[in-house]
Amino acid sequence: GAVVSQHPSRVICKSGTSVKIECRSLDFQATTMFWYRQFPKKSLMLMATSNEGSKATYEQGVEKDKFLINHASLTLSTLTVTSAHPEDSSFYICSARVNMGAKNIQYFGAGTRLSVL
Amino acid sequence: GQNIDQPTEMTATEGAIVQINCTYQTSGFNGLFWYQQHAGEAPTFLSYNVLDGLEEKGRFSSFLSRSKGYSYLLLKELQMKDSASYLCAVRDGGNYQLIWGAGTKLIIKP
Repeated sequence: GAVVSQHPSRVICKSGTSVKIECRSLDFQATTMFWYRQFPKKSLMLMATSNEGSKATYEQGVEKDKFLINHASLTLSTLTVTSAHPEDSSFYICSARVNMGAKNIQYFGAGTRLSVL
Repeated sequence: GQNIDQPTEMTATEGAIVQINCTYQTSGFNGLFWYQQHAGEAPTFLSYNVLDGLEEKGRFSSFLSRSKGYSYLLLKELQMKDSASYLCAVRDGGNYQLIWGAGTKLIIKP
């Protein structure tokens, strides 16, 4: 399958700081990437859809100014959690969609566990 | 509304067979996916069904009935490493987004 690299895998930061998470498609070009958040024992919650060269599409209830998404190239999307607070602590996962005809499978990065103190 | 139902947790024995069911009610349908997620890790793709019937891939098989809004993932010859959560996701026909079930935690016992 396609490889999606996400970095860092774990971040511990102080309240009020900003954290940037990178998501790269290593062996394919991804015009569309997705950012998810997952709470313990819960399913994936889509935060936003990131489209190369255009603004991200945010889901209802997700603050655009809080979670900045940049998809500057066909292989890189970044999520910046600005002025992080303890309630932002979570598991953030990116995925990239591979165009395979009708399938269009999403492959996931390894995830970033954010802990805000 | 959009809804995907899976059992919360299942237990099975090493070497046995287990079937994880998924029922869905969505406004559109353009394929159903199964993913495996080990604790603390990201999901990995297992299977894709868009037509009715059974898709077999090694020890794992996935079945779809579109008229019943129903799918199952069948795992054979269970191994301890199969202990994980299994996520069912439906691709909405309209916007191509994936709608996720809450996942089924599978516990394998020796």
